[in-house]
Amino acid sequence: KAGVTQTPRYLIKTRGQQVTLSCSPISGHRSVSWYQQTPGQGLQFLFEYFSETQRNKGNFPGRFSGRQFSNSRSEMNVSTLELGDSALYLCASSLVTLPYEQYFGPGTRLTVT
Amino acid sequence: AQSVTQLDSQVPVFEEAPVELRCNYSSSVSVYLFWYVQYPNQGLQLLLKYLSGSTLVESINGFEAEFNKSQTSFHLRKPSVHISDTAEYFCAALIQGAQKLVFGQGTRLTINP
Repeated sequence: KAGVTQTPRYLIKTRGQQVTLSCSPISGHRSVSWYQQTPGQGLQFLFEYFSETQRNKGNFPGRFSGRQFSNSRSEMNVSTLELGDSALYLCASSLVTLPYEQYFGPGTRLTVT
Repeated sequence: AQSVTQLDSQVPVFEEAPVELRCNYSSSVSVYLFWYVQYPNQGLQLLLKYLSGSTLVESINGFEAEFNKSQTSFHLRKPSVHISDTAEYFCAALIQGAQKLVFGQGTRLTINP
């Protein structure tokens, strides 16, 4: 089975711009979660989608949003980028039955200048 | 609130020496526990998991972890490390009923020859 894929792998944006990141889950996985990884804050949960619905949300401002399509692919969007949004954004997919293991993609490295 | 604490941010050891990476969790509800490994410029890879049953779980590359409910710990151990084990290790808890991983701050394992 192919793993979780994320595109693009690297991105450089300017403050104030917006960005869209894409994630394709493992075939058969219907739950997709997003995490932000920074040196200062570590790994933080952004949100989780299942059946095109956001089921869980972390403590991030409304500039961070996401969606999921009928084929379980997911996108996250960050509007009005700030320098502090520079991070590695990781997507993970999982089944919704035990053992609930989350499988991670390689991440998108976003740099905001 | 649930939290995961990794007590050591960095652990340097010599090759072929034993190592223990410590992890404690705090939760008022049952959790599933995981260890993930992250190699440079890569995403997270699942190392091992505890869901229920035997409190000692093992990975295919020689790591093991023991769930201790009374001490709320899930420490990771390996009797003899290799240079290739150099990576950052993350302990995580998945809250039952919510597809949300709560991560520790990570422990950077450095193997010296």
